[in-house]
Amino acid sequence: AQSVTQLGSHVSVSEGALVLLRCNYSSSVPPYLFWYVQYPNQGLQLLLKYTTGATLVKGINGFEAEFKKSETSFHLTKPSAHMSDAAEYFCAVSRGNQFYFGTGTSLTVIP
Amino acid sequence: NAGVTQTPKFQVLKTGQSMTLQCAQDMNHEYMSWYRQDPGMGLRLIHYSVGAGITDQGEVPNGYNVSRSTTEDFPLRLLSAAPSQTSVYFCASSYLGSSYEQYFGPGTRLTVT
Repeated sequence: AQSVTQLGSHVSVSEGALVLLRCNYSSSVPPYLFWYVQYPNQGLQLLLKYTTGATLVKGINGFEAEFKKSETSFHLTKPSAHMSDAAEYFCAVSRGNQFYFGTGTSLTVIP
Repeated sequence: NAGVTQTPKFQVLKTGQSMTLQCAQDMNHEYMSWYRQDPGMGLRLIHYSVGAGITDQGEVPNGYNVSRSTTEDFPLRLLSAAPSQTSVYFCASSYLGSSYEQYFGPGTRLTVT
């Protein structure tokens, strides 16, 4: 069975500080991995994805994530937080025809 | 392209009523799915379809029906609404294959009283 664990349901950072949102997956075979962002009262929007190839993946809005097979992790980072980054972030894995989402991390950016 | 569209945006039902949430996409995606989003639980898959005439159950299918008569449309039917079905519902679509990202609609906020 697939599962995705996001550590920390709420994360607060100061504007300009590093953003680190954690995601671990459980799978015997490396899955396809995704990060989505959800702004208030909106649907989910793809930030980035890892399928094959380079393990450091760059996405939109300055976000990036690194696939670490040995740690079964796919943490999301951004060097400098902006007020507009305040949102809910979801990590997901894809296997077969199904997506499996984590429970989400709400990011607050403090001015 | 309109992408993935959902109607209605908001709905209030009484317990026992039935209704259909509409979902349409104009990207010619084979795969379509319905999720519900509840606080602290992320998104849970209700039903999905890999093409017209083909549907399957996800993680939480009870109380919901789907059908897919065309590539574009994938309606979700609540047969007899219950307060436990109060949630935000998202429809998503993608090309078939695990490496493809899903595109999400704006959601329907449903309240069952």
